[in-house]
Amino acid sequence: QKEVEQDPGPLSVPEGAIVSLNCTYSNSAFQYFMWYRQYSRKGPELLMYTYSSGNKEDGRFTAQVDKSSKYISLFIRDSQPSDSATYLCAAVTGTASKLTFGTGTRLQVTL
Amino acid sequence: GAVVSQHPSRVICKSGTSVKIECRSLDFQATTMFWYRQFPKQSLMLMATSNEGSKATYEQGVEKDKFLINHASLTLSTLTVTSAHPEDSSFYICSARVDSRAETQYFGPGTRLLVL
Repeated sequence: QKEVEQDPGPLSVPEGAIVSLNCTYSNSAFQYFMWYRQYSRKGPELLMYTYSSGNKEDGRFTAQVDKSSKYISLFIRDSQPSDSATYLCAAVTGTASKLTFGTGTRLQVTL
Repeated sequence: GAVVSQHPSRVICKSGTSVKIECRSLDFQATTMFWYRQFPKQSLMLMATSNEGSKATYEQGVEKDKFLINHASLTLSTLTVTSAHPEDSSFYICSARVDSRAETQYFGPGTRLLVL
């Protein structure tokens, strides 16, 4: 079992839709969680990070962590074609620890 | 923001040759750099962690004699794929960390290696 599981998609939504991207994890030692966006043939770009359970909002993006169920989510409001990319969740046990990535979910936002 | 560059962006080589990939932190000093490999439609797999001035720490299953890592300065790390074979064809991504916090890890644009 992978430590961080993520549905690879692809997920196709119309422009303006609310997107929900999800990951589950098995390692209870994970304390910090990140979401990265990766465009095709590019390196990942950090979107959001969170240290605790609950919600964290940044513009159109909301990250949600539920440590009791080991479930993390990223919501994208008013999705745009420019949001089309692969979204990777990642977790670390300690802030200086190595990142453990999910497989990524490919998102396609259509006009 | 912090910028990490990689060179070359893509390389094609013959089987048996060696290829060097450079990773530079352009506007900050990075005591720690990381090398990842990503196969199509798969996630990033950490290959090794590199600290300036010391030997790299390789992940289990990564051959240190095949993937040579040198972190000679606070802004430059290199990955050399020695005696490359077609199965080494992949997308190699480096990252550099500004400080000890995980969220300060910035990724390069990646290098696509094709071994013929």
